[in-house]
Amino acid sequence: ETGVTQTPRHLVMGMTNKKSLKCEQHLGHNAMYWYKQSAKKPLELMFVYNFKEQTENNSVPSRFSPECPNSSHLFLHLHTLQPEDSALYLCASSVGTQGFYEQYFGPGTRLTVT
Amino acid sequence: AQTVTQSQPEMSVQEAETVTLSCTYDTSESDYYLFWYKQPPSRQMILVIRQEAYKQQNATENRFSVNFQKAAKSFSLKISDSQLGDAAMYFCAYRSAYSGAGSYQLTFGKGTKLSVIP
Repeated sequence: ETGVTQTPRHLVMGMTNKKSLKCEQHLGHNAMYWYKQSAKKPLELMFVYNFKEQTENNSVPSRFSPECPNSSHLFLHLHTLQPEDSALYLCASSVGTQGFYEQYFGPGTRLTVT
Repeated sequence: AQTVTQSQPEMSVQEAETVTLSCTYDTSESDYYLFWYKQPPSRQMILVIRQEAYKQQNATENRFSVNFQKAAKSFSLKISDSQLGDAAMYFCAYRSAYSGAGSYQLTFGKGTKLSVIP
């Protein structure tokens, strides 16, 4: 595997379910990000991790819980979601969090909350 | 807070022709980075081109070039000799050059869907 991978690619869950999204980067980067991409809205940054430490939480509801056990892996734990949480969730990584570093994106997980 | 506006939800171009996608942004910062990202139907977003605000020279990458007008806060993308593989959503994005909370964020526009007509 190369680049940034995400699993699963598609997920359908009920509002009472608990599920997790997984992201893995094979680029040796130190920073990882979660973004939410909803139809007709700009991408929204959710969380930033740098060297496994969370450096940014963009006012995300507590039903989304990130976890970064090491610099290569990032999880997004989901519980009691709402239908409006249905979206494409993108993971990204970069060498560092400074502005000039390019962010490399994964293919995304298409989440549908029923 | 910074905002990025892409005023063209959809554009189309004939194969081999040139197309320009528009982007404007609003910021009070003097140092920042601007990006164009491409998201093909397979959804993996990739960087097309990057511009540092302190550089006056417009960035170019093969068939892709930008027209960066700092005073006007405008950052358009020109695609020359358009190819079928250029069909995708194109996102303009802004990122601060300063460190600290809130500076890590890439602020995206809503995107422009580009179709290439054979």
